[in-house]
Amino acid sequence: DVKVTQSSRYLVKRTGEKVFLECVQDMDHENMFWYRQDPGLGLRLIYFSYDVKMKEKGDIPEGYSVSREKKERFSLILESASTNQTSMYLCASTEDRGLRPQHFGDGTRLSIL
Amino acid sequence: AQSVTQLGSHVSVSEGALVLLRCNYSSSVPPYLFWYVQYPNQGLQLLLKYTTGATLVKGINGFEAEFKKSETSFHLTKPSAHMSDAAEYFCAVNSNFGNEKLTFGTGTRLTIIP
Repeated sequence: DVKVTQSSRYLVKRTGEKVFLECVQDMDHENMFWYRQDPGLGLRLIYFSYDVKMKEKGDIPEGYSVSREKKERFSLILESASTNQTSMYLCASTEDRGLRPQHFGDGTRLSIL
Repeated sequence: AQSVTQLGSHVSVSEGALVLLRCNYSSSVPPYLFWYVQYPNQGLQLLLKYTTGATLVKGINGFEAEFKKSETSFHLTKPSAHMSDAAEYFCAVNSNFGNEKLTFGTGTRLTIIP
């Protein structure tokens, strides 16, 4: 069975900290995504990657960066965490060239205090 | 630019009753349309999708959706609700033109009344 694994289900960090969210997929997919999910706003795309070391900004990239050194791993980095980045973060992957995520991780609920 | 509107952020139906979740889209090119489901404390699962061809699409767990171009709609239905259908449902749209990202609706939380 296919799997997208996010390293933490819950995370609590402090304002100003550098935060790393890790995601690993075992399907050899080229495309990977990071979304942010907030009540009443649905899912918003932060960044996506279509190959190792390749990345593209999504709709809300400000305050975030990403890293993709290996095909199976896609990391989201909050450079200097702020309280407005408290949210649920979802990683996804797909073999679909049309940038349509097929498989999602269970999410990381991040609280910034 | 594309957009999705899901009418009703919360929908409640009785067990055994018809489930109808509404989705309307806006797209200047032929759309690809999707429904995802999110169970509590889980990520999203693809429920069904429309790309081309037959406008009535069947998905997992007895759900289906019909693409109606004239109404710009892609409503999700299930004839008989089950308690396990309680979840949040997201409609999404993109196209096969260029590198169009998937645009999600704001979601509809479905509650099943015993």
